[in-house]
Amino acid sequence: AIQLTQSPSSLSASVGDRVTITCRASQGISSALAWYQQKPGKAPKLLIYDASSLESGVPSRFSGSGSGTDFTLTISSLQPEDFATYYCQQFNSYPPFTFGPGTKVDIK
Amino acid sequence: QVQLQESGPGLVKPSETLSLTCTVSGGSISSYYWSWIRQPAGKGLEWIGRIYTSGSTNYNPSLKSRVTMSVDTSKNQFSLKLSSVTAADTAVYYCARGKYNWNHANWFDPWGQGTLVTVSS
Repeated sequence: AIQLTQSPSSLSASVGDRVTITCRASQGISSALAWYQQKPGKAPKLLIYDASSLESGVPSRFSGSGSGTDFTLTISSLQPEDFATYYCQQFNSYPPFTFGPGTKVDIK
Repeated sequence: QVQLQESGPGLVKPSETLSLTCTVSGGSISSYYWSWIRQPAGKGLEWIGRIYTSGSTNYNPSLKSRVTMSVDTSKNQFSLKLSSVTAADTAVYYCARGKYNWNHANWFDPWGQGTLVTVSS
């Protein structure tokens, strides 16, 4: 199975900050990567698919980039509602579909 | 818009079978993949498996020997059975729709709200 790692595992940031989260795959996955946001007690919400395609209804301050093994999720200007845990997921090789361990973004 | 709702017992005894159902509303269950994903408390997400509306399935190899999924298109529902459960199967279980590409690979949207299943005697 393809393993995904995320860095950092957690970060503290302020409203208005630019935030970047990295996801690395154990082997090349082309652009078959999605990003999710999860708030406490809630289900994950799709933000990005195909590494850089913004899901309908997701604010444009979220963006994704990368291909192969290295990917990034960027929040251009962090808003109060963005404090959450973010997960990447690969869908290049399956089964299984696999998720990264998550990056928790909290308030500085 | 499409909404998903999990249902089933919240408490299962060790060695017994966990059974959950996901009801899809606001749209047809047809022509999509439907997955189960779980999350132990404070931990990450684990994909359990998926079913297509034809009944075709794929399971996580780590759970394959214990998982069975089924679909009832007349009721817009799909189901999960996980046998021989242990405390390690205690988790929030989510159902989710799989959007797919040319390779029939899935990313997930939307998700159900999740249901906590505890394995304990």
